[in-house]
Amino acid sequence: DTGVSQDPRHKITKRGQNVTFRCDPISEHNRLYWYRQTLGQGPEFLTYFQNEAQLEKSRLLSDRFSAERPKGSFSTLEIQRTEQGDSAMYLCASSLEGAGAGRGTQYFGPGTRLLVL
Amino acid sequence: SQKIEQNSEALNIQEGKTATLTCNYTNYSPAYLQWYRQDPGRGPVFLLLIRENEKEKRKERLKVTFDTTLKQSLFHITASQPADSATYLCALDPPPGNTGKLIFGQGTTLQVKP
Repeated sequence: DTGVSQDPRHKITKRGQNVTFRCDPISEHNRLYWYRQTLGQGPEFLTYFQNEAQLEKSRLLSDRFSAERPKGSFSTLEIQRTEQGDSAMYLCASSLEGAGAGRGTQYFGPGTRLLVL
Repeated sequence: SQKIEQNSEALNIQEGKTATLTCNYTNYSPAYLQWYRQDPGRGPVFLLLIRENEKEKRKERLKVTFDTTLKQSLFHITASQPADSATYLCALDPPPGNTGKLIFGQGTTLQVKP
């Protein structure tokens, strides 16, 4: 399977703990995105990378959130001192930058469902 | 700021009928608009992209229209099947564009009854 993969698929943690999620994009894709989705809502943009550079962060991304893509391949999203409001599905997507047929289309992973108790 | 509105009420239709889902947006018209399908517990799956200079695009049983005057996109599934039951999301890329920083609607859940 050459799609986007995410690990873990589910995470239960206690409030105040740190969690880290991993995303492996489609290998030739240079862009990687993180979104958060709560029940009954569409995904909300958090941040994105082009290769290893983090180009933009949403205002939703508080100081407790940090994302990296050290070698322009996989990415990690860390949440420090988790709060109950962080409970959500965290989605990763990747794309190949540029105009033209098929380029720019985002391919999503299965998501990591986080529950903060 | 840019907003997208989709009908939050679930759409229930009979198998074989055409399902029509609506996506309305405010403010500027995007260069393109995308539609995704999402099944419970899964990530969204890309279906179709339509550009601002395209009025209509088709893919098998799917058809999308884009009316920049009405600031609306319609998504049609013809000859619907129970397997089409899912949540359908529309999304657009706000200015300056081509960042891929998609803004999604809340999605409309479609239920096709046999």
